[in-house]
Amino acid sequence: DIVMTQSPDSLAVSLGERATINCKSSQSVFYNFNNQNYLAWYQQKPGQPPKLLIYWASTRESGVPDRFSGSGSGTDFTLTISSLQAEDVAVYFCQQYFSSPYNFGQGTKLEIK
Amino acid sequence: EVQLVQSGGGLVQPGGSLRLSCAASGFTFSAYWMHWFRQSPGKGLVWVSRVDSDGSSTTYADSVKGRFTVSRDNAMNTVFLQMDSLRAEDTALYYCARNWGSAFDLWGQGAMVTVSP
Repeated sequence: DIVMTQSPDSLAVSLGERATINCKSSQSVFYNFNNQNYLAWYQQKPGQPPKLLIYWASTRESGVPDRFSGSGSGTDFTLTISSLQAEDVAVYFCQQYFSSPYNFGQGTKLEIK
Repeated sequence: EVQLVQSGGGLVQPGGSLRLSCAASGFTFSAYWMHWFRQSPGKGLVWVSRVDSDGSSTTYADSVKGRFTVSRDNAMNTVFLQMDSLRAEDTALYYCARNWGSAFDLWGQGAMVTVSP
């Protein structure tokens, strides 16, 4: 099984500042066949299901603000929020969909400083 | 509207059974693989099971293998999760979600399953 590890577990950032969340997989999630990283980022607010933000490690889902960006390849990935807004307070999860079980990271709780 | 609407959660005793349903609308249901995830209170997300687009292939997490059965009815645009021999550790909020060769872009609202005497 591919184990996903996020850091930090929690993060407090001032409004308008940059937030960075890291995700590491225990093995590569890069698929040579289509040159893609099978890595997604989700946002979850209390009482809501997860919301897809980023897929293929760096492709923004339709309707997601461009302050959200994803980067990385192989085993190391990053979600960046360029200018934190109040509505971004949530828990963020990375997930690999390279192979089942489609494991998630433990989550990073993002708060306002 | 493109959506997944879940039903069937509830309270069940250990060893009991429960069936969750997830009804799709607004998209071509038969084109998508469907998955079940769960989230224990205050815990992270865990993948549970998946069924391919025509129902011919299924996969399960080790923790539920032999106890849970996923199926779908493409005529009814619905996916099911039959949960048998339930244990306390199966207590969680269960979500259905779709994918099509990529990440999981549409999720149900969740259904709470509580296993307790």
